[in-house]
Amino acid sequence: EAGVTQSPTHLIKTRGQQATLRCSPISGHTSVYWYQQALGLGLQFLLWYDEGEERNRGNFPPRFSGRQFPNYSSELNVNALELEDSALYLCASSFRTGTEAFFGQGTRLTVV
Amino acid sequence: AQSVTQPDIHITVSEGASLELRCNYSYGATPYLFWYVQSPGQGLQLLLKYFSGDTLVQGIKGFEAEFKRSQSSFNLRKPSVHWSDAAEYFCAVGEPGTYKYIFGTGTRLKVLA
Repeated sequence: EAGVTQSPTHLIKTRGQQATLRCSPISGHTSVYWYQQALGLGLQFLLWYDEGEERNRGNFPPRFSGRQFPNYSSELNVNALELEDSALYLCASSFRTGTEAFFGQGTRLTVV
Repeated sequence: AQSVTQPDIHITVSEGASLELRCNYSYGATPYLFWYVQSPGQGLQLLLKYFSGDTLVQGIKGFEAEFKRSQSSFNLRKPSVHWSDAAEYFCAVGEPGTYKYIFGTGTRLKVLA
């Protein structure tokens, strides 16, 4: 069974640009979570999607947004990139009624 | 607000020695508790989880954790560390009903040969 897959693995963008990160959950999982892992800051909860809707949001500015598609895959969009957005972005998925999340390998976003 | 504290940023142990990684949480009720491990350049792998019941939880790779309600702790233990255990370990609290996970800042484990 395939795990959570994220693309791209690495992404380099210039300050002010937009970045789009993609996540495919484990088959059968309907919930997708996004986390930011910045150096020295640990894992910060970004967004939770379930059944196509945003269910919860972390303490991030509106330029961090996303969506979940009918096949439960998800996109994270970061607009107006800032240098401090450089981080590893991790996606996780779980069953709607499940209580454990499975993580992908992450997308390393570098803003220069 | 719920929070998770991992007081040790770095821990170094010798191979074969015992290990205990500390985790304290703040939450109004009993949360779901997790330990994840992250090897360099990798995503997070679930080691073990606690939802309810027996407070001593067995996980993969020989790890166990004990939930102590009175201390709001969920410490991770392993009786004998292997060099391959060198990684970063994250404690997490899951908020029942919201599936929102709060992670600690992690403990980086170094294993000496």
